[in-house]
Amino acid sequence: ETGVTQSPTHLIKTRGQQVTLRCSSQSGHNTVSWYQQALGQGPQFIFQYYREEENGRGNFPPRFSGLQFPNYSSELNVNALELDDSALYLCASSLEGRGTGGTNYGYTFGSGTRLTVV
Amino acid sequence: AQSVTQPDIHITVSEGASLELRCNYSYGATPYLFWYVQSPGQGLQLLLKYFSGDTLVQGIKGFEAEFKRSQSSFNLRKPSVHWSDAAEYFCAVEGGNTGKLIFGQGTTLQVKP
Repeated sequence: ETGVTQSPTHLIKTRGQQVTLRCSSQSGHNTVSWYQQALGQGPQFIFQYYREEENGRGNFPPRFSGLQFPNYSSELNVNALELDDSALYLCASSLEGRGTGGTNYGYTFGSGTRLTVV
Repeated sequence: AQSVTQPDIHITVSEGASLELRCNYSYGATPYLFWYVQSPGQGLQLLLKYFSGDTLVQGIKGFEAEFKRSQSSFNLRKPSVHWSDAAEYFCAVEGGNTGKLIFGQGTTLQVKP
């Protein structure tokens, strides 16, 4: 059983650029959530995808967008990067459907992508 | 609004000593509660979770947590800390079926030899 894989592990971008982060969910999981973790803070929920549809969104602007593919892998896209977007971006997968929130199984987190915006 | 407070930002304990990390939550109904651990440069590893039933929950690595509804708390404990337990610990709550975890700010655990 493979875990959650995120790529790349580290990334440096310039303010105003666009970035795409990728996540391969754990085998058999159909729900993917994305979190932003600023230095010294707890993770903040960005959004969740279930069967290729957005299933909840946190307090993030529209320039944060996502996709989920038929194999349940996912992408996080951020446009018009700002310095405050520098953070560790975590992907979490779970074996849950819409409305159940992963409660019976918990979430499996990847190691994250460290994004630095300069 | 749902929230999680971890009052202790940093805790230092001696190896072999007992440990208790505090977590208080704010949620109207019975919450789903989690403790995660994060080593430097790593993702989050689930230590234990509480959904319902027995309020004392056993987790991995010898950790346990007790849900106390009257105090809105879910404190993490370990009888004897090992040097490898040094890490960042996060308490989280999931409200209902939102699919959204709300995390506390985290507690950094340092273990003295």
